[in-house]
Amino acid sequence: QVQLVESGGGVVQPGGSLRLSCAASGFTFSSYGMHWVRQAPGKGLEWVAFIRYDGSNKYYADSVKGRFTISRDNSKNTLYLQMNSLRAEDTAVYYCAKDLREYSYGYDGIDYWGQGTLVTVSS
Amino acid sequence: QSALTQPASVSGSPGQSITISCTGTSSDVGGYNYVSWYQQHPGKAPKLMIYDVSNRPSGVSNRFSGSKSGNTASLTISGLQAEDEADYYCSSYTSSSASVVFGGGTKLTVL
Repeated sequence: QVQLVESGGGVVQPGGSLRLSCAASGFTFSSYGMHWVRQAPGKGLEWVAFIRYDGSNKYYADSVKGRFTISRDNSKNTLYLQMNSLRAEDTAVYYCAKDLREYSYGYDGIDYWGQGTLVTVSS
Repeated sequence: QSALTQPASVSGSPGQSITISCTGTSSDVGGYNYVSWYQQHPGKAPKLMIYDVSNRPSGVSNRFSGSKSGNTASLTISGLQAEDEADYYCSSYTSSSASVVFGGGTKLTVL
């Protein structure tokens, strides 16, 4: 079965950096695009970033563009999110999520989600 | 990247049907059949309930159905059960930023 396990969350000061990881199993990781989606405490879902199956295309929400970088290592079945210049408003649970279809550009939806990792930006 | 518009809350009694709307624009909901719906129970990860406007993934009850008219998509839950009480989110592709946009979420209360 599909499993997505995030790690790397924690408490970081404003302006700091953090790298999240997502270990994937139960499907052919190298055939699927992957998303990061976040949810601030008590708030709704916010799409953050998407990377195509081979890393050839990456897309970002305006709120994180220029500060966050999505990447993947298909040899390790792992997705990453490098977060720099963190702000208080980046505080959220960050979910790693699998795209619905193979080889897509990420516009057709998400079918599996990890359990999330909490990032808290506070001094 | 403006969020899609959903009602903040809806409610219904066991056995009844409810509908949750999701309103966007011609750049997202109205322009593409890439609308999905997710169910999220407190403290849990979201779960895909509907994709491509009206398709149900394997294992999702046929009490859940989706549709779209113009710029508004809808999720209908028939035969409400206590376990349906959760937050529901819609999402769509948006050509305005070549990305995904979510609705603000709707809290469903089963009375």
